[in-house]
Amino acid sequence: EIVLTQSPATLSLSPGERATLSCRASQSVSSYLAWYQQKPGQAPRLLIYDASNRATGIPARFSGSGSGTDFTLTISSLEPEDFAVYYCQQRSNWPRTTFGGGTKVEIK
Amino acid sequence: QVQLQESGPGLVKPSQTLSLTCTVSGGSISSGGYYWSWIRQHPGKGLEWIGYIYYSGSTYYNPSLKSRVTISVDTSKNQFSLKLSSVTAADTAVYYCARTHTTSAFDYWGQGTLVTVSS
Repeated sequence: EIVLTQSPATLSLSPGERATLSCRASQSVSSYLAWYQQKPGQAPRLLIYDASNRATGIPARFSGSGSGTDFTLTISSLEPEDFAVYYCQQRSNWPRTTFGGGTKVEIK
Repeated sequence: QVQLQESGPGLVKPSQTLSLTCTVSGGSISSGGYYWSWIRQHPGKGLEWIGYIYYSGSTYYNPSLKSRVTISVDTSKNQFSLKLSSVTAADTAVYYCARTHTTSAFDYWGQGTLVTVSS
């Protein structure tokens, strides 16, 4: 099983600051990595697929990068609605898929 | 706009079978190209993929749950379903249905339904 490790577990930042979230895979997943945002009581929302492609309707302040085993989700300037938990997910060994443990972005 | 909605009992007794249905609107399961999925989230924890089904009936399951999981599809009702047998308290979770594609990610999700396993 491919294990995804997200860091940090919690990121404390202020609105307007830049957020950098990391996802590391236990083996190469090529570019088959997605990022999701989840707010309390809600389902996850797809932000980024295939490492760097923004999903429909996702603001440009969200960007993804990386390939192989190391990936980054960057939020260029945090808006109040961006404080949430973020998960990465790989599909390189489709149909199997796994998710990371999540990073919580909280207000400092 | 595709919408998914989970339904089913919120409380299941230990050793019994958990049964949930996902109703899809705004798009047809039979149109092909997409896999219809179940994912769960234990309270306060991360996400766990349970399995997928294609409209043809082909299924793929998480090996860790495979012995207890059955996913089926009813294209006439535009629904797909999850059965998880021999449940224990460890199966208490929010269960989500979602849509995915082999070349993409989970792009549409239901709102989720909490299933508690307790006597």
